[in-house]
Amino acid sequence: GNSVTQMEGPVTLSEEAFLTINCTYTATGYPSLFWYVQYPGEGLQLLLKATKADDKGSNKGFEATYRKETTSFHLEKGSVQVSDSAVYFCALKGGGADGLTFGKGTHLIIQP
Amino acid sequence: GAGVSQSPSNKVTEKGKDVELRCDPISGHTALYWYRQSLGQGLEFLIYFQGNSAPDKSGLPSDRFSAERTGGSVSTLTIQRTQQEDSAVYLCASTLRAGLAIYEQYFGPGTRLTVT
Repeated sequence: GNSVTQMEGPVTLSEEAFLTINCTYTATGYPSLFWYVQYPGEGLQLLLKATKADDKGSNKGFEATYRKETTSFHLEKGSVQVSDSAVYFCALKGGGADGLTFGKGTHLIIQP
Repeated sequence: GAGVSQSPSNKVTEKGKDVELRCDPISGHTALYWYRQSLGQGLEFLIYFQGNSAPDKSGLPSDRFSAERTGGSVSTLTIQRTQQEDSAVYLCASTLRAGLAIYEQYFGPGTRLTVT
């Protein structure tokens, strides 16, 4: 079956630091890959996505590249802000019409 | 426009009671999904509807769980004879159509269920 593994948190960084949150996946076929974010007290929202190999998703300064050879979709940001503090979920969707498979989430804390 | 709404936002129930959780998807979205978010299991997909039909119920945790969707809109997730391990946040999401990743899933705020 499908599965997603992401680094456990919490991850604590200082403002303006470089961020990487690792995500690897196992899936049959050619899944689409996503990063979702859950800010404190808010619902889950899509941050970025990539639907085929070598695609790069980007939004709000965050980027992730779909690497089929390493089955990875690592999230990066060059300079984080306090407002980026949230829980980040890596997810995949297989070719069928079923739901998303999520990683367990990474709690990111940015200190001023 | 209005997003996905869920009710109640919080529900505390005694072990053994039945509960119903409601989801109102975004107008015009034909596909609706239920997920469960718990400390031990993370975010799990439970079931989805395309229109009124639920093609695959195998993701439901047990036969105490059931879901229906009427009129292609509102959906209800019912848990019978609740157990403490059912305590979790139940999330609903909707999208224009199931099956294609180009259609973003929009999530509701969730219902926090606590079974005492």
